[in-house]
Amino acid sequence: AQRVTQPEKLLSVFKGAPVELKCNYSYSGSPELFWYVQYSRQRLQLLLRHISRESIKGFTADLNKGETSFHLKKPFAQEEDSAMYYCAPYRLNRDDKIIFGKGTRLHILP
Amino acid sequence: NAGVMQNPRHLVRRRGQEARLRCSPMKGHSHVYWYRQLPEEGLKFMVYLQKENIIDESGMPKERFSAEFPKEGPSILRIQQVVRGDSAAYFCASSPGLRDNEQFFGPGTRLTVL
Repeated sequence: AQRVTQPEKLLSVFKGAPVELKCNYSYSGSPELFWYVQYSRQRLQLLLRHISRESIKGFTADLNKGETSFHLKKPFAQEEDSAMYYCAPYRLNRDDKIIFGKGTRLHILP
Repeated sequence: NAGVMQNPRHLVRRRGQEARLRCSPMKGHSHVYWYRQLPEEGLKFMVYLQKENIIDESGMPKERFSAEFPKEGPSILRIQQVVRGDSAAYFCASSPGLRDNEQFFGPGTRLTVL
C-alpha cells in the first residue's frame, strides 16, 4: 500500500537552529517526492520536488531510496518558516493522486 | 492567471441539508482534484476528474458524496444530507495534464455543519 509517514505532528525549533522535518514513504515504483507548505492563512503551495534538486527558501531535501526517506532540512531556521509542511510522494506523468502525509507543524521560537 | 478559485470560502449548513462546493481550475488546466482536511488530520484525496470524466474516486465516501467537472463551468463537489462529521476544509487542486502534473491548490472551502 502506498503510504507516507511524517512522525512529528509538531516541531518547535529556535530561530537560527537547524531544522529537519522527517518523511518516510512506502510506495510502489519510483515516485517523485514533493514537499508542500501551507503558511498561515495562505493556500497550500509546492515548496520543492526532489527531481529539481534545488534549494527553496534555504530548504533542501534528499531522497534516500535505501531508507525510503525524504527529509526536509534547513541549516538555520527563520521565524517566517513557521508553517505546516506536508511530504507527498507522487508519480509524474501518471494519473495519480497525491498521497499526503499528515503534516508537521513547524513552530520557530524567537 | 487568477489561480485556482474556490467558493464559497466558508459554508455553514444544518444537518440534513445539501452542500455544494465549487472549484474553478487555473486557465488551461483540465485536471481537477478534491481533497478533504479534517481537524487535526492531513489532506486526504477524494476524487480526481478530467473534463466530463471521473478518473479516480477511490477516496470518496460511498454515499452522499458526488463530484462532477462539466464541459463548461466549475467542478462541483456535492454533499447531500450533511452530517456533523462532514465538517472539514475541502481543497481543490488543478493541473495542466499528464506532462506536468504539479498540482496548484485553491484556498479551500471550510464547511461547518451545525
